[in-house]
Amino acid sequence: QKEVEQNSGPLSVPEGAIASLNCTYSDRVSQSFFWYRQYSGKSPELIMSIYSNGDKEDGRFTAQLNKASQYVSLLIRDSQPSDSATYLCAVNKSWGKLQFGAGTQVVVTP
Amino acid sequence: GAGVSQSPRYKVAKRGQDVALRCDPISGHVSLFWYQQALGQGPEFLTYFQNEAQLDKSGLPSDRFFAERPEGSVSTLKIQRTQQEDSAVYLCASSFPGRPVPEAFFGQGTRLTVV
Repeated sequence: QKEVEQNSGPLSVPEGAIASLNCTYSDRVSQSFFWYRQYSGKSPELIMSIYSNGDKEDGRFTAQLNKASQYVSLLIRDSQPSDSATYLCAVNKSWGKLQFGAGTQVVVTP
Repeated sequence: GAGVSQSPRYKVAKRGQDVALRCDPISGHVSLFWYQQALGQGPEFLTYFQNEAQLDKSGLPSDRFFAERPEGSVSTLKIQRTQQEDSAVYLCASSFPGRPVPEAFFGQGTRLTVV
């Protein structure tokens, strides 16, 4: 079992719809979690961080964390073609060292 | 500059050649990380520096990989006697550990191709 698991996709989402991305992690002591967006051929770009149970909203993005279920998710509302990318879930292990999932590819179709 | 800067952006090396990859972190960021990203995978941790001290090198795949940050700013990742399996994108990230949630910012990466 990988430490951080994500569905690889591709997740096809109509423009204007909500994209829902899921991530599970195995280390119960993990405290902080991150979502990165990575366009093809580019480096990861931080879009959200979350460390408390519940929801955290930033613009069209909402991160949700449930530590009891070891589950973190990302919702993208009003999806745009520019949201087409791979979304990486990352867990802080220590010192800021990140353990990444393999990423979920999102394709927003006009 | 405002972001993490890496050079070169692309490197083609012949098998057996030594390479050196450079990372210039965001000014004031004391933490610096190197990651390796294979095609279709998430980044994998290689090593971590806090200032000039290398506190974690558990991810370095072999003793052919060596990293340094002698003055606590610019870092160099060196790969000796490159092999084809070393072909990947090497990403550098920096963060400021004083934040409650250390947020790491990545450079553009160096794409290494070993032929």
